[in-house]
Amino acid sequence: DTGVSQDPRHKITKRGQNVTFRCDPISEHNRLYWYRQTLGQGPEFLTYFQNEAQLEKSRLLSDRFSAERPKGSFSTLEIQRTEQGDSAMYLCASSLEPPGGVGNQPQHFGDGTRLSIL
Amino acid sequence: EDQVTQSPEALRLQEGESSSLNCSYTVSGLRGLFWYRQDPGKGPEFLFTLYSAGEEKEKERLKATLTKKESFLHITAPKPEDSATYLCAVQARYNFNKFYFGSGTKLNVKP
Repeated sequence: DTGVSQDPRHKITKRGQNVTFRCDPISEHNRLYWYRQTLGQGPEFLTYFQNEAQLEKSRLLSDRFSAERPKGSFSTLEIQRTEQGDSAMYLCASSLEPPGGVGNQPQHFGDGTRLSIL
Repeated sequence: EDQVTQSPEALRLQEGESSSLNCSYTVSGLRGLFWYRQDPGKGPEFLFTLYSAGEEKEKERLKATLTKKESFLHITAPKPEDSATYLCAVQARYNFNKFYFGSGTKLNVKP
């Protein structure tokens, strides 16, 4: 168990540029979540995957955001035409849910990607 | 609207001074309430899951309890290494794919 890893740890970019983040969940974890966290706030849910299927998207996830999880392994989160308000920590979490489970297994978080928009 | 409110926002304790953190929630049917610890620059670390009113969980100096409207995280004789932000999150019965986090309580334990 090597934990959830996220890459890069820090990203600085100019407004209007596109950025992509990667998350490698714990091996064999079938659920993967993306969250956004700003300073002094708790994580806000963005989207969730069950294996390779994206099953839930928050209204926070505008058209500029897209997430994928090809083959149910790693996941990517892309933000197009970044804006100042996108500056935040982007967290990925994974969990192992048994068949028929109700999603209440503990989520294991990575240490996030901190995005700064100049 | 589902909501999670944590208090206080910040708490400063002397080493050995016990206290409690509060997590109040409004959700249409609670499926689970989760406590996490978050250190600066790190992702949240899972502590406890509580499912029903009256349930209690313990781990070292931490004890979590749950009522129908709130949860408490009791810290007994804290040590400086307990300093962190403590987050709670709720999961609703009607949509168990989403988790709503509070803003956290930042705990500082002075030696």
